[in-house]
Amino acid sequence: GAGVSQSPRYKVTKRGQDVALRCDPISGHVSLYWYRQALGQGPEFLTYFNYEAQQDKSGLPNDRFSAERPEGSISTLTIQRTEQRDSAMYRCASSPSGHSYNEQFFGPGTRLTVL
Amino acid sequence: AQKVTQAQTEISVVEKEDVTLDCVYETRDTTYYLFWYKQPPSGELVFLIRRNSFDEQNEISGRYSWNFQKSTSSFNFTITASQVVDSAVYFCAEEGGGSNYKLTFGKGTLLTVNP
Repeated sequence: GAGVSQSPRYKVTKRGQDVALRCDPISGHVSLYWYRQALGQGPEFLTYFNYEAQQDKSGLPNDRFSAERPEGSISTLTIQRTEQRDSAMYRCASSPSGHSYNEQFFGPGTRLTVL
Repeated sequence: AQKVTQAQTEISVVEKEDVTLDCVYETRDTTYYLFWYKQPPSGELVFLIRRNSFDEQNEISGRYSWNFQKSTSSFNFTITASQVVDSAVYFCAEEGGGSNYKLTFGKGTLLTVNP
């Protein structure tokens, strides 16, 4: 079956530009998570949705970062006025529900490079 | 706050050797979950195991085994008779039993299995 998909897989942008990263979760999965993974580090939590509701955005680094999931399925992570320090792998995950006994299935990630 | 420490940054072994990857966690939660994920060179994150804090039984799956010891806050992962295909970065992660279900990852251990 289809897993979590993310697009684009690679994004190169210039400093100051806005970028939008897309996540398409596994069909029927209620919960969706965004993580950011710097080179040589583990993924770090950014934000979490249950259906269309953003339940936790405590990991978003600043107000240039925002995320939405308007219909409870596809989600978009937007970074405005990108900076070089935003360069990282952005990973999306989904789970059947927001309970700890459900594993999170990760997508392939979007590698963002800000020049 | 949760913290996961993987003290081994890199490990190199020769094929067929056994290898143990260490993971130490910190949490104030009484209920929590521990995970191991594999990140092969292709970059995806592959779920390996989930263990809840009430179940201290060790688990074996083929060549993989996990040793959970609450007394030392450790959740170590052993690969028996390692193979070249085991070469990857391995991440340990913890999820608190609270309402946000976010994973806190360690920095990962790069395992290289040489033929």
